[in-house]
Order: sequence, then C-alpha cells, then structure tokens
Amino acid sequence: SQTIHQWPATLVQPVGSPLSLECTVEGTSNPNLYWYRQAAGRGLQLLFYSVGIGQISSEVPQNLSASRPQDRQFILSSKKLLLSDSGFYLCAWERGVGGYTFGSGTRLTVV
Amino acid sequence: GENVEQHPSTLSVQEGDSAVIKCTYSDSASNYFPWYKQELGKGPQLIIDIRSNVGEKKDQRIAVTLNKTAKHFSLHITETQPEDSAVYFCAASKGSGGSYIPTFGRGTSLIVHP
Repeated sequence: SQTIHQWPATLVQPVGSPLSLECTVEGTSNPNLYWYRQAAGRGLQLLFYSVGIGQISSEVPQNLSASRPQDRQFILSSKKLLLSDSGFYLCAWERGVGGYTFGSGTRLTVV
Repeated sequence: GENVEQHPSTLSVQEGDSAVIKCTYSDSASNYFPWYKQELGKGPQLIIDIRSNVGEKKDQRIAVTLNKTAKHFSLHITETQPEDSAVYFCAASKGSGGSYIPTFGRGTSLIVHP
C-alpha cells in the first residue's frame, strides 16, 4: 500500500535560519507531489507542485523553494526564515486521477 | 481561475442529527470534487469524492451530491457521532497536464455535541 512520510512533526526555528522539510512516498511510482501551507485558520495554500524529477512549479512567489531530487522525494527549503513562514506545512501526493493523500504535517514556528 | 465557496464556516449539531455542508464552484470545466476531513493537528484525509458524470455517491453515513447545472455540491453526514467533529474541506478540480490541482473551500468546522 502507498504511504507518505513527512518530517519533522514540529520545528521551532529562529528568524534567519535555514529550513529543510522532507517528504517521501512509498508504494507508488511517478507520483505528483505537492507542498501546502495552512496558516492560522483553515485555508490550504498551494506552494509548489511537481509532476516529475526536477520539475517544480511555484504557485506563490515567496521565501521558499522546493526540489525533487528523486521520484518519491520532495523537499521544501528556505535559506533564511521569516516570522511569516510560521504555519502548518503539508505534503501530498496523487497519481493524476484526482484525490490527494496528505502527510501528517509539520508545525513550523519561527521565533 | 476556479473559485470555491463553502458554507457554513461553523456547524454545531447534536449527536444523531444530520449535517449538511454546501459548496459552489465557478469553473464549469471542473470535473472532480473531493471532500476532506481534517482532525486537529493532522493532515486532511480524503473521505469521499464524486466525478461530474455522477449525481450522487454514498458511503455508509456519508453522501455527496452534485448539481452540475447549478455548479454546487454538498456533503451529507447522517447519524452524526462525536468522532465526526473536525474541519471539512470541499474542493473542485479538473485534470490538466497530468495532474489534478484542486481549489479548496475555506473549510467548515463541524462540532457534534454528545
């Protein structure tokens, strides 16, 4: 069966520090991969998506970047975190037929 | 682009009652409509979905209806239980370039009182 792993679960980082969040999918190949952010309240904001290795589409210009070094690995990064980067980050995958499977999320607090 | 409106933002019911959450969408080309349940501190979980060639779909206590003409779809939960308490998101999407990128509603916080 397919599983998605996302870590860490929680993270407290100082302003100006770098960030690396990792997401991996098991049990499937060629997944479409997505990074979302959920700020205070409930809205889900699409940050990046990838339909293949090295292919990254950015939905919102900001202080973050994404990379897909392997078929089932998706990484969210920042060189210097801002206070506004705080939030709940979610990775998700789907196979091009609709319906996301989300990871368990990373709660990021920038202090 | 697509715009999805979701109502109500908060819904409070007594255990055993029914709950209905409604969404409207703007892009008539949207053809896939999933619903997600998000419990506190967790990622959203797909609970039911419907495609545009179907008007209704049911899975035990959960059902979704779709009216393509009016461009609205609804989630129906019968015999609600306290464990149904969560935030529910609707979404609308269409396949493009090998992926389905949904536009999400803003969520409904469902509270089921025992």
